[in-house]
Amino acid sequence: NAGVTQTPKFRILKIGQSMTLQCAQDMNHNYMYWYRQDPGMGLKLIYYSVGAGITDKGEVPNGYNVSRSTTEDFPLRLELAAPSQTSVYFCASSSVTLTGLGETQYFGPGTRLLVL
Amino acid sequence: AQKITQTQPGMFVQEKEAVTLDCTYDTSDPSYGLFWYKQPSSGEMIFLIYQGSYDQQNATEGRYSLNFQKARKSANLVISASQLGDSAMYFCAMRGTYNTDKLIFGTGTRLQVFP
Repeated sequence: NAGVTQTPKFRILKIGQSMTLQCAQDMNHNYMYWYRQDPGMGLKLIYYSVGAGITDKGEVPNGYNVSRSTTEDFPLRLELAAPSQTSVYFCASSSVTLTGLGETQYFGPGTRLLVL
Repeated sequence: AQKITQTQPGMFVQEKEAVTLDCTYDTSDPSYGLFWYKQPSSGEMIFLIYQGSYDQQNATEGRYSLNFQKARKSANLVISASQLGDSAMYFCAMRGTYNTDKLIFGTGTRLQVFP
């Protein structure tokens, strides 16, 4: 069982370049998330999706875009890369319970992005 | 607004000893869930333990237990019989009734286990 997969594992971008970080899950989870983790810090939510066709902004959405055309995939797009976007990006997914409280998120291995 | 506070940037513990990692939270939600994740140097996030705000007993998962004190709004992680492989970053997180689709994370505590 693959769980949550992310590609690429590592990428170097020049300022102004664009790229798409791929995320896929095979657990049939409705909820998917993108986080960024800056050095020595916790995770900050960029965007999330509660189902195919539905996305919403998190805490730090500026400079990013997402789409959710299928349950399995949730790509994150950087249009004009900036040095401030140097970070490790984690994708996660979860199902939903009646209370919505106890379901943990399953994380991908992360994508390390360096913008120079 | 919800907030998670982890005041210990780093902790040291000797192998086979127990260690407590602190976590306090702030929320106005009537019910909520608290999580702990481990992040080893390899970078992946590993779920450790969950505590619901209305659970009668403190959660336990093997060597991990959660010391939940609702009145103090604290959810400390206790690791018993520490192992070298426990060296990692540990994050406390929370999800509330009114924001069930989001997890709020603390800044983490780096635990170092020495022989």
